[in-house]
Amino acid sequence: DADVTQTPRNRITKTGKRIMLECSQTKGHDRMYWYRQDPGLGLRLIYYSFDVKDINKGEISDGYSVSRQAQAKFSLSLESAIPNQTALYFCATSDPGLKQETQYFGPGTRLLVL
Amino acid sequence: GDSVTQMEGPVTLSEEAFLTINCTYTATGYPSLFWYVQYPGEGLQLLLKATKADDKGSNKGFEATYRKETTSFHLEKGSVQVSDSAVYFCALSAVTGFQKLVFGTGTRLLVSP
Repeated sequence: DADVTQTPRNRITKTGKRIMLECSQTKGHDRMYWYRQDPGLGLRLIYYSFDVKDINKGEISDGYSVSRQAQAKFSLSLESAIPNQTALYFCATSDPGLKQETQYFGPGTRLLVL
Repeated sequence: GDSVTQMEGPVTLSEEAFLTINCTYTATGYPSLFWYVQYPGEGLQLLLKATKADDKGSNKGFEATYRKETTSFHLEKGSVQVSDSAVYFCALSAVTGFQKLVFGTGTRLLVSP
């Protein structure tokens, strides 16, 4: 079974709709991240969380919110989706016990906002 | 701020050809450097990393050497296979504060039989 799972894998929605992307992990890591990937732009950090009570904005947090329901779960919400939020979204985890820790990525959620 | 620049793709090669994907970086201090690979339909996975100058990271026949003097971390493989077709991302881990990853834009590699 995959260590980092994301649901849904694909989603089509309309402008103005609220949508939630979910991430679960079985790696036991405290740190979790949400990124978006756009063609030609690489990955950009949206939000990150060091534990259940510690949530921080990344470089492109506007229009997004997150919830860390438990150590293993980190959800990303688009309160009112707009077309330029069409992208591939990745969740990742890491273990702070290791210097220069490796991040482990989920398979991604492909989101299309019409 | 910190940044990573990598060559644009796609890179198209025949099986058993030599591969180089260039990566240079700009950062304060001495960041750790990574190559991640994304196979079709999958998330990113770590391919190799180097944490200090002159370190060589290697995995699955791929190698990259941390060159402080040229601020580079070029990815190489002596003989590519069709199964190496993927998108490759160079990244650095910031030195100060939260060690976030800064990614390059990715380079798509296409290997034909």
